[in-house]
Amino acid sequence: SQQGEEDPQALSIQEGENATMNCSYKTSINNLQWYRQNSGRGLVHLILIRSNEREKHSGRLRVTLDTSKKSSSLLITASRAADTASYFCATLGSRLTFGEGTQLTVNP
Amino acid sequence: GAGVSQSPSNKVTEKGKDVELRCDPISGHTALYWYRQSLGQGLEFLIYFQGNSAPDKSGLPSDRFSAERTGGSVSTLTIQRTQQEDSAVYLCASSFLGTGGEKLFFGSGTQLSVL
Repeated sequence: SQQGEEDPQALSIQEGENATMNCSYKTSINNLQWYRQNSGRGLVHLILIRSNEREKHSGRLRVTLDTSKKSSSLLITASRAADTASYFCATLGSRLTFGEGTQLTVNP
Repeated sequence: GAGVSQSPSNKVTEKGKDVELRCDPISGHTALYWYRQSLGQGLEFLIYFQGNSAPDKSGLPSDRFSAERTGGSVSTLTIQRTQQEDSAVYLCASSFLGTGGEKLFFGSGTQLSVL
C-alpha cells in the first residue's frame, strides 16, 4: 500500500491562479519529496523537505510540512499552462514510497 | 550519459513470453530503483539495489519477476511468462547515496503491453 495520499486527485484551475496540493502519510518519515510527471513517463524531482523543517521555497513552489498532522502541502503560485502535470509526494521511511498523485490542469 | 536511460521505450509482447527491460543509471550513482506504474496510478515499488548490498526485493509481485545489477551499473528487470496484468510503465531511477535523502533521477520508462 502507498504511504502518501495526495488530495485532491484532480485539480483544474486558470492560468495565473495558485494551485495547492496536499499529501498525507501514515508513519514517521525522515524527509518528504515532491515530484512532477508529464505524460505518464519519468518523474522529475521538485523539492525535498526534511522532517525538522516546516517550510521551504523554490521559485514559484512552496512546500510546508506538519509532522504532527503527518501532512504536507505543495503550493504553486501564478500557475502557467506548462505546469499541467501529475504531482506526487514521496515519503522516506524504510524506503521511498510514492502516493497516487494529483493531476493538475492549468487552463490558458 | 547525462541521465538515466531505459530501453526499450515500448515493448509489446504476447502473453506467456519473457521480457527483459534495461536500465542504465547515471554514472557514479550507487542506488538503483525499479517502480511500476499502471495507468493513472501511483508508483509501485519493485526492487532496490544499493552498492554491493543484497537488493531489497520486497516489492516484486511474484516469482516471475527478477532483477539483477551487473558491475554495480546496468540493471535488467526480467518478467517471465508475462500476463496481461503486467502491462504498465516500468520506471527506473538512480540516486547518489541511496538513503532517500537525495533526490531520485528517473528514466523515461518502458511501456510494456502484454496482449
